[in-house]
Amino acid sequence: QVQLQESGPGLVKPSETLTLTCSVSNGSISSDFWGWIRQPPGKGLEWIGHIFHSGSKSYNPSLKSRVTISLDMSKNQISLNLSSLTTADTAVYYCVRRSIVAAHNWFDPWGQGVLVTVSP
Amino acid sequence: DIQMTQSPSSLSASVGDRVTITCRASQDIRNYLNWYHQKPGKAPKFLIYGASTLHSGAPSKFSGSGSGTEFTLTISELQPEDVGTYYCQQSYSTLLTFGGGTTVEIK
Repeated sequence: QVQLQESGPGLVKPSETLTLTCSVSNGSISSDFWGWIRQPPGKGLEWIGHIFHSGSKSYNPSLKSRVTISLDMSKNQISLNLSSLTTADTAVYYCVRRSIVAAHNWFDPWGQGVLVTVSP
Repeated sequence: DIQMTQSPSSLSASVGDRVTITCRASQDIRNYLNWYHQKPGKAPKFLIYGASTLHSGAPSKFSGSGSGTEFTLTISELQPEDVGTYYCQQSYSTLLTFGGGTTVEIK
């Protein structure tokens, strides 16, 4: 089955830009939607955004001015860029596939997640 | 934004108990409601879509019901592997939102 693996820096400084990469195995990003969800320590889940294989994107309005999600078809990878970081961006970041069937959609599978800490 | 509210925020139950979690939407979302289970230290796993359709591979002890603004997730007989946090998520609007979670513990 499709597996997702996130990678990126564990520690970044305030005001910097975070770049995370998600490698997809046993499947192709040339179909379906692919996206990111984050979870601050001890808190709930927040949808960041997703991208369709055609390049169509949708972002959470609360993050839209700072977020870019992109696909690298040659590497079968999804990337997340989040700029102007603050300590409030400290969270576990999950890579997800968004599946759509008969108008319903859901997130499955999820990557294992990567903890990103924003600190001076 | 569609706000999702779960209750209770936490519960403690005995092995074998029937457990019910409620999720309320701030507006009508028809049956565009998903459920996930997050074990401690792990990524969430998808359980149910369309409010009541069990995802293939999800245990049959989980069931969902509801439509409109009120939904429930039921665990028929609680087992130790069911501990963790359960989240509802609406897929009705383009801004996808989650409930705050319900943490389930074994008494």
